[in-house]
Amino acid sequence: QKEVEQNSGPLSVPEGAIASLNCTYSDRVSQSFFWYRQYSGKSPELIMSIYSNGDKEDGRFTAQLNKASQYVSLLIRDSQPSDSATYLCAVGGGYSGGGADGLTFGKGTHLIIQP
Amino acid sequence: EAQVTQNPRYLITVTGKKLTVTCSQNMNHEYMSWYRQDPGLGLRQIYYSMNVEVTDKGDVPEGYKVSRKEKRNFPLILESPSPNQTSLYFCASSPTGTGYNEQFFGPGTRLTVL
Repeated sequence: QKEVEQNSGPLSVPEGAIASLNCTYSDRVSQSFFWYRQYSGKSPELIMSIYSNGDKEDGRFTAQLNKASQYVSLLIRDSQPSDSATYLCAVGGGYSGGGADGLTFGKGTHLIIQP
Repeated sequence: EAQVTQNPRYLITVTGKKLTVTCSQNMNHEYMSWYRQDPGLGLRQIYYSMNVEVTDKGDVPEGYKVSRKEKRNFPLILESPSPNQTSLYFCASSPTGTGYNEQFFGPGTRLTVL
């Protein structure tokens, strides 16, 4: 059974600071990694995808992947109150453990940006 | 507008009364999937489909059925709903024939089974 672990939070960050969200995964041969943002009662919205080791930047967001450590992170620069949400880490691919074809989601980290 | 739509958005029903939640996407995506989201358990996959007439079980398929007769539609059927199926349901689609790539979610259906 694939597992994706996230600290549930809440993680409280002052407005304008950098928010750092972390995720670890169990399946060493996982191939694809995603960060989704979910506002309360709404659907998950894809904000970043990363497939290879290193950093990927998109606006205020940077995703970081370290496959050797089985670790994915999301940095949000210049945090805004509108960034307050739950952030879901999702992992796809891999060949171990069998199971369904799809993404395995972490339970999410609740981020609060304090004005 | 490219989107995944679900209907109904909210549904209250009683135990044993068959229901269908529809899902449709207008992006010509190959892959479609159903998830349920419960507090403390996160998002869990129910069923998925890699293409028309190709469906398979996810992690929590018990009590659910699906069909994929057309590329754009992927309805979720609860033939005899029970209270433990009270949940928030999401349909998702992906442009490729595998679930390992980016998936885009519908707005969700909040189901209550009394």
